[in-house]
Amino acid sequence: DAKTTQPNSMESNEEEPVHLPCNHSTISGTDYIHWYRQLPSQGPEYVIHGLTSNVNNRMASLAIAEDRKSSTLILHRATLRDAAVYYCILGRDYGGSQGNLIFGKGTKLSVKP
Amino acid sequence: NAGVTQTPKFQVLKTGQSMTLQCAQDMNHNSMYWYRQDPGMGLRLIYYSASEGTTDKGEVPNGYNVSRLNKREFSLRLESAAPSQTSVYFCASTSYGTGVYEQYFGPGTRLTVT
Repeated sequence: DAKTTQPNSMESNEEEPVHLPCNHSTISGTDYIHWYRQLPSQGPEYVIHGLTSNVNNRMASLAIAEDRKSSTLILHRATLRDAAVYYCILGRDYGGSQGNLIFGKGTKLSVKP
Repeated sequence: NAGVTQTPKFQVLKTGQSMTLQCAQDMNHNSMYWYRQDPGMGLRLIYYSASEGTTDKGEVPNGYNVSRLNKREFSLRLESAAPSQTSVYFCASTSYGTGVYEQYFGPGTRLTVT
């Protein structure tokens, strides 16, 4: 399974944009890029996913490099509630859904008021 | 909808004791998963069930057994608990093959084995 590389931690100020990077240089053509986050003492929750094009939803935006070897999760205005561990995961497509997700250590995002 | 529920929330076991962790989902999902998360680490897949009636090993299955009781319920059993199994256990579900990509996670069971 292809691996991802993320910074261990990042800091942000409240109400400012946050760009969380992820490198996945061994990504294959059928791998989707998924982002999950885990708030303290909770289970992970889905944030966004994409294949080739940039994606937007109510939580965040996902910018995917043209060669797909890296991606960036963008939180447009960080709030204190966004303080969490963010996981970038590659999931192979199996006929309409991802294969098993492999979680790394993720990036711990701290948000300062 | 309750989503994914897990019982118990907390459990302390002595080495050698057995227990079953329960998981249920009310979203009509066909795939269910059990993960464990050790302190400061990401989640690791223990077992999964792609559909009712099937189960498969994940990355760290040793010391565990699972049962897919029906479409809603997926249980994880520790036959003889060991201190190395001290962890937080998460259950998740998703709809395989329907274009739904999100996995939905339960709140976790915090297990301590002494």
